[in-house]
Amino acid sequence: GAGVSQSPRYKVAKRGQDVALRCDPISGHVSLFWYQQALGQGPEFLTYFQNEAQLDKSGLPSDRFFAERPEGSVSTLKIQRTQQEDSAVYLCASSFRDRGPDTQYFGPGTRLTVL
Amino acid sequence: AQSVAQPEDQVNVAEGNPLTVKCTYSVSGNPYLFWYVQYPNRGLQFLLKYITGDNLVKGSYGFEAEFNKSQTSFHLKKPSALVSDSALYFCAVRDGQAGTALIFGKGTTLSVSS
Repeated sequence: GAGVSQSPRYKVAKRGQDVALRCDPISGHVSLFWYQQALGQGPEFLTYFQNEAQLDKSGLPSDRFFAERPEGSVSTLKIQRTQQEDSAVYLCASSFRDRGPDTQYFGPGTRLTVL
Repeated sequence: AQSVAQPEDQVNVAEGNPLTVKCTYSVSGNPYLFWYVQYPNRGLQFLLKYITGDNLVKGSYGFEAEFNKSQTSFHLKKPSALVSDSALYFCAVRDGQAGTALIFGKGTTLSVSS
């Protein structure tokens, strides 16, 4: 596709529910990133994939957060037993390569609200 | 540790006037610097980046940014603001030697009045 797409755009979950957020990166992009953007804040790094390998998950806030990219293309961010503090916009970005000055292109985000 | 500071929560400017959105950074290695813009309910849109070379970088929609190594700054500028430039602007840095993730500032809301 022309850009990074994410679905759903909006998700409302009751506390304790599991959610799955999907990201379709730009075709051919090796690197995929997930960020969390709290209200009034800049995005914060969660995790990074190079093809299907998850090379950095240092930003995941707890073991309730899990991400995968099994075929090196589409990625899913899963949050188990959601808590109110998980409410945020989850942004996915992709870039052609992993390091260097390559630009990360962002999707529209998924706004998660946990009640 | 890497960090980005955007000292102004909001910048107000009249249409047609020049605008500046400030950004300072801290990295241990050589910095790659980026500016993104975010419109309501939209993702981040890339504006420009500094890699190396010329300290003045030109980007989309008439925006430019000046890299100043001694002041560790990367301020975003535009000679003549448009009402449609009103949005949330983020500065971000990546450590050229060690980093993969972008480190973002808190963002600056630009409001251009007609």
